[in-house]
Amino acid sequence: GAGVSQSPSNKVTEKGKDVELRCDPISGHTALYWYRQSLGQGLEFLIYFQGNSAPDKSGLPSDRFSAERTGGSVSTLTIQRTQQEDSAVYLCASSLTASGGGSTDTQYFGPGTRLTVL
Amino acid sequence: AQTVTQSQPEMSVQEAETVTLSCTYDTSENNYYLFWYKQPPSRQMILVIRQEAYKQQNATENRFSVNFQKAAKSFSLKISDSQLGDTAMYFCALRNNAGNMLTFGGGTRLMVKP
Repeated sequence: GAGVSQSPSNKVTEKGKDVELRCDPISGHTALYWYRQSLGQGLEFLIYFQGNSAPDKSGLPSDRFSAERTGGSVSTLTIQRTQQEDSAVYLCASSLTASGGGSTDTQYFGPGTRLTVL
Repeated sequence: AQTVTQSQPEMSVQEAETVTLSCTYDTSENNYYLFWYKQPPSRQMILVIRQEAYKQQNATENRFSVNFQKAAKSFSLKISDSQLGDTAMYFCALRNNAGNMLTFGGGTRLMVKP
């Protein structure tokens, strides 16, 4: 079946502008994750959604970052008033479940959105 | 807090030979999961292999196998019969049973030479 998809593939924006990044998880996956991959910081966890539960926002670096997951499927990561240090690849992943045995909690990643803030 | 360390920023191997990538980690949990992901230039993170900490048997997937040493908190990846398509960044990652997110190491860039 189809994997995790993300859009846009690349986004160039000016400092101070808002951006929205979209993630379509694998159909039927209840858990969705956002990570950021930057040169200086490596791969960092940002936020996690599980079903209808309140999201785990513990990885968000500032209040300029927010995310929604509508209808338990598509997710949007919004960065307000972008800064140059926000430049990175933003990766989305989904898993069938969030925890448990077997391989149901294995996270499958999308191709990422490369964000460049000028 | 949990940490993952990959001490080899770059490695190279001749095609058809075997290479081992190192990974050490730290966690206070007794039950957790370990992963190796491959990231080629296309940016797509691809799962290579997975290991449950409660399993003593080392995981294998075709040419890929791990050496999981729980007491030493070590989780190395062995790639046998290296192929040009194995050229990529390789990330070791840890997930606690109670946690949700993956904690990644800094990555090892592997170059397979013809």
